[in-house]
Amino acid sequence: SQQGEEDPQALSIQEGENATMNCSYKTSINNLQWYRQNSGRGLVHLILIRSNEREKHSGRLRVTLDTSKKSSSLLITASRAADTASYFCATDAGDYKLSFGAGTTVTVRA
Amino acid sequence: EAQVTQNPRYLITVTGKKLTVTCSQNMNHEYMSWYRQDPGLGLRQIYYSMNVEVTDKGDVPEGYKVSRKEKRNFPLILESPSPNQTSLYFCASSSRNPLSSYNSPLHFGNGTRLTVT
Repeated sequence: SQQGEEDPQALSIQEGENATMNCSYKTSINNLQWYRQNSGRGLVHLILIRSNEREKHSGRLRVTLDTSKKSSSLLITASRAADTASYFCATDAGDYKLSFGAGTTVTVRA
Repeated sequence: EAQVTQNPRYLITVTGKKLTVTCSQNMNHEYMSWYRQDPGLGLRQIYYSMNVEVTDKGDVPEGYKVSRKEKRNFPLILESPSPNQTSLYFCASSSRNPLSSYNSPLHFGNGTRLTVT
């Protein structure tokens, strides 16, 4: 069953702007992960945040997790054309499944 | 180079003709999984395997079979494909410890685009 749901479904921004997308989920989790997918290719892992963490950074990426609201956000700062992709959150509830949402499609305009 | 390799990348077949999509990983991962991706539905898990000879159903297993005879290989078998199995398929693997709350991220293959007519 689909656990995470991303919002918005699509996002179009100018190069240099920040992009923010959100993920909501339904059940308790061990960790939440964000992945990027370029044009029908395989997903690439970006960042993992554990349930006892509230914020994590990796380069231009910032992820927050609010377990009380069962939500997470991914912020991409100073976006570039190469950031154009679909972004998926995935929740790990410790049951050997990783449940993905439907994704947010980000378009960065030059 | 650490990778998950799927073959073929593209496959067009007809209803009822058995097919196999191969998946191989070179990272000695215990865990492997198959997903299908459809527009608006995200990735849905078909089957997964915790280790050799250990497989279990995901969320959408109907119409699919898998086997895990060796650690590195996890083929997906469609015994009698139907048009509703037209989709983009991904194999993924990771190092997972069932005794730990931390599981490593998934490594994905580049996908197999299947069309069943």
